[in-house]
Amino acid sequence: EVQLLESGGGLIQPGGSLRLSCAASGFTFSSHGMSWLRQAPGKGLEWVSSISGGGGTVYYANSARGRFTISRDNSRNTLYLEVNNLRAADTAVYFCAKDGGWGSKIWFDPWGQGTLVTVSS
Amino acid sequence: SYVLTQPPSVSVAPGQTAKITCGGNNIGSKSVHWYQQKPGQAPVLVVYDDSDRPSGIPERVSGSNSGNTATLTISRVEVGDEADYYCQLWDGDSDQRVFGGGTKLTVL
Repeated sequence: EVQLLESGGGLIQPGGSLRLSCAASGFTFSSHGMSWLRQAPGKGLEWVSSISGGGGTVYYANSARGRFTISRDNSRNTLYLEVNNLRAADTAVYFCAKDGGWGSKIWFDPWGQGTLVTVSS
Repeated sequence: SYVLTQPPSVSVAPGQTAKITCGGNNIGSKSVHWYQQKPGQAPVLVVYDDSDRPSGIPERVSGSNSGNTATLTISRVEVGDEADYYCQLWDGDSDQRVFGGGTKLTVL
């Protein structure tokens, strides 16, 4: 069974930084792209970033370029997301997800349970 | 960038059919995926590549995609289907993975 477990969320002051982790199990981690998504309180889903299985190709939402960095450690079966200069608008539940499909047909399945990031002074 | 438009809400009585639409420019030429999200839970994929169902998703859940509209259809709606539903696709022109704004399905 595929399992994804996010960690690293919490209360962060504006301007601060954090690193989220997603521990994966139940599949060959290095063979699959992975993604980060987020959901602000009471709002819809937003894609943040994706990374290829080998880690050599990364993708970012236009809103995430510059402050977000996705990475992975295939020896540890772990996905990461670093966020700098946090803003109140970054307050959200952050989910990691395994990419499904190929080419222009990419979906997210399954998703982890998410970790809450609250940016506030 | 590419915009996906969903109705904010759809209401249906138990046993009836719910249709949730996802509008976009020539969306029929793209591959659309659908997610169900219940309160306090992570989203779950219910349809991928327009009309395929992951294992464990009942046959009464189906998808279609043509022209400027993709549709998620839930037949014989049950109280347990009450949730938010999101469409999603990859926009090759902008290299962005895009979500619709979500539709709250209420079972009356």
